[in-house]
Amino acid sequence: SYVLTQPPSVSVAPGKTARITCGGNNIGSKSVHWYQQKPGQAPVLVIYYDSDRPSGIPERFSGSNSGNTATLTISRVEAGDEADYYCQVWDSSSDLVVFGGGTKLTVL
Amino acid sequence: EVQLVESGGGLVQPGGSLRLSCAASGFTFSSYWMSWVRQAPGKGLEWVANIKQDGSEKYYVDSVKGRFTISRDNAKNSLYLQMNSLRAEDTAVYYCARGTSLTSAFDIWGQGTMVTVSS
Repeated sequence: SYVLTQPPSVSVAPGKTARITCGGNNIGSKSVHWYQQKPGQAPVLVIYYDSDRPSGIPERFSGSNSGNTATLTISRVEAGDEADYYCQVWDSSSDLVVFGGGTKLTVL
Repeated sequence: EVQLVESGGGLVQPGGSLRLSCAASGFTFSSYWMSWVRQAPGKGLEWVANIKQDGSEKYYVDSVKGRFTISRDNAKNSLYLQMNSLRAEDTAVYYCARGTSLTSAFDIWGQGTMVTVSS
């Protein structure tokens, strides 16, 4: 089955740029979605179809997807961005929704 | 306000059954794919199942095939998950989530309902 690989943790200082990767075999051929989840809360969609932002999500959040890696980029990181982030795709070869293992973003 | 509210969670013994419900409001429920996603304590997200707008297509993660059944009642704006033969590893918060298509993102999530499988 299709596997999405995320780093367990990423740390960044306030005001800097955080990049969270999501690796998968030829993931560039798939549509990647990203979610933010804070402790005790439901996930929130922050990027869909690789690079689109839902209304209400700051422009600081952006996404890209090419080759074997998709990336969520958070510019000018704020303390409130500290959360777990998950990537997700639909794998048409197995008819399954697949989530990455999640990345904990720590704001130093 | 667009909203999904889950209910039906609780404590159940191994081998038991439970039926989760998800009540939708604020949008045309029959126009959307719906899914169940779960999260075991301290773990990541795991998709469980999804269902097409008219119920004609359903997909399941391998670990629940034959044990769980997803269904919907568009007249009642409700999504369901019938869970049978429950195992300890099914213990999780279960979220319902909305999608526009099979490949789309989940743009609206409920607050979740906790299912604990333990003797």
